[in-house]
Amino acid sequence: IAGITQAPTSQILAAGRRMTLRCTQDMRHNAMYWYRQDLGLGLRLIHYSNTAGTTGKGEVPDGYSVSRANTDDFPLTLASAVPSQTSVYFCASSPGTDTQYFGPGTRLTVL
Amino acid sequence: GQNIDQPTEMTATEGAIVQINCTYQTSGFNGLFWYQQHAGEAPTFLSYNVLDGLEEKGRFSSFLSRSKGYSYLLLKELQMKDSASYLCAVMDSNYQLIWGAGTKLIIKP
Repeated sequence: IAGITQAPTSQILAAGRRMTLRCTQDMRHNAMYWYRQDLGLGLRLIHYSNTAGTTGKGEVPDGYSVSRANTDDFPLTLASAVPSQTSVYFCASSPGTDTQYFGPGTRLTVL
Repeated sequence: GQNIDQPTEMTATEGAIVQINCTYQTSGFNGLFWYQQHAGEAPTFLSYNVLDGLEEKGRFSSFLSRSKGYSYLLLKELQMKDSASYLCAVMDSNYQLIWGAGTKLIIKP
């Protein structure tokens, strides 16, 4: 692994189903982030973690949860997916309060 | 509220120069970032400004005026591969990035 990986690459999901998006980094970065990107809008922060064991809410946290059990992994869970959660999801990491490096993204469609 | 404004779309000619502007109003300022994003790909870091002035990095330069809440990204000697979206983001007082919607740059031969 080099950098940040995300899985799956894309997913079609029925409304009401539970889904976990995976994110793993091998750079030993302290901070990790989850964003969603929708056409015509800037990246919007869902949740973040400044260090392993801590998490915080971003701009649009409703309907999403995260955990940070260790430095490398930062999964994002949709407990009960709704069509408005159709989006491209990006995971990012940074050594601290500076440049963020992004994973390749997960394209999620909720029907 | 916090706001980042940049043009939605710009068109330029291969070999020319283009300037992409970004204005911002945020709660606090801890630096301004420019990212490049090709269609269907992840954003990649281009530049970071925290002090006023011009930062040059090869064909790309970025300028910041904190008193005016203004930045621009200057791309010289445009190449077809520069066709992409360019994202402006400001780090606020909580060290969170606030993102503009991005400027789609179309390069014509």
